[in-house]
Amino acid sequence: EAGVTQFPSHSVIEKGQTVTLRCDPISGHDNLYWYRRVMGKEIKFLLHFVKESKQDESGMPNNRFLAERTGGTYSTLKVQPAELEDSGVYFCASSQGGKDTQYFGPGTRLTVL
Amino acid sequence: AQSVTQPDIHITVSEGASLELRCNYSYGATPYLFWYVQSPGQGLQLLLKYFSGDTLVQGIKGFEAEFKRSQSSFNLRKPSVHWSDAAEYFCAVGALEGYGNKLVFGAGTILRVKS
Repeated sequence: EAGVTQFPSHSVIEKGQTVTLRCDPISGHDNLYWYRRVMGKEIKFLLHFVKESKQDESGMPNNRFLAERTGGTYSTLKVQPAELEDSGVYFCASSQGGKDTQYFGPGTRLTVL
Repeated sequence: AQSVTQPDIHITVSEGASLELRCNYSYGATPYLFWYVQSPGQGLQLLLKYFSGDTLVQGIKGFEAEFKRSQSSFNLRKPSVHWSDAAEYFCAVGALEGYGNKLVFGAGTILRVKS
């Protein structure tokens, strides 16, 4: 069974540009989470989807970040326009039930220059 | 609010020596506790978890952790470290708000293994 996959693995963009990160959860997992780790600090929660609905987006830093999960399968996280402080590693995780173990993807390393 | 403290940013141990990584949490109810490991170039892998029941939990790769409610701790241990254990280790607590299980992570402990 395939694990959580994320694309791209690395992205380098200029300040002010737009970047879209993608996450494919484990098949059948209704719950999808986004986290990020900025500059070696703690991994922080961004948001949680149940199927295609946003269950909790309390961790989204500002309105430059937009997450979608059309059809309840894969999810995208768009940053527009990107700022220097958005640099970090963005992780996606999925779980079957809301309280089940979360399985993480390898992360996308975003560098904003 | 929930929080997790991993007091050791770096730890270096000799191969074959025992290991203990410390984790303290703050949570108002019975926590869901996790240890994840991230090897270089890899994603986060679950080592073990505590939901309820026996306070000594066994995980993969020979790791174990003990939940001590009185000390608000969930320390990770391994009796004999292998060079392949060099990685960054994260303790996390599950914040059960609403339907989901939003994880709150500690800052991580980088483990170096010397031969």
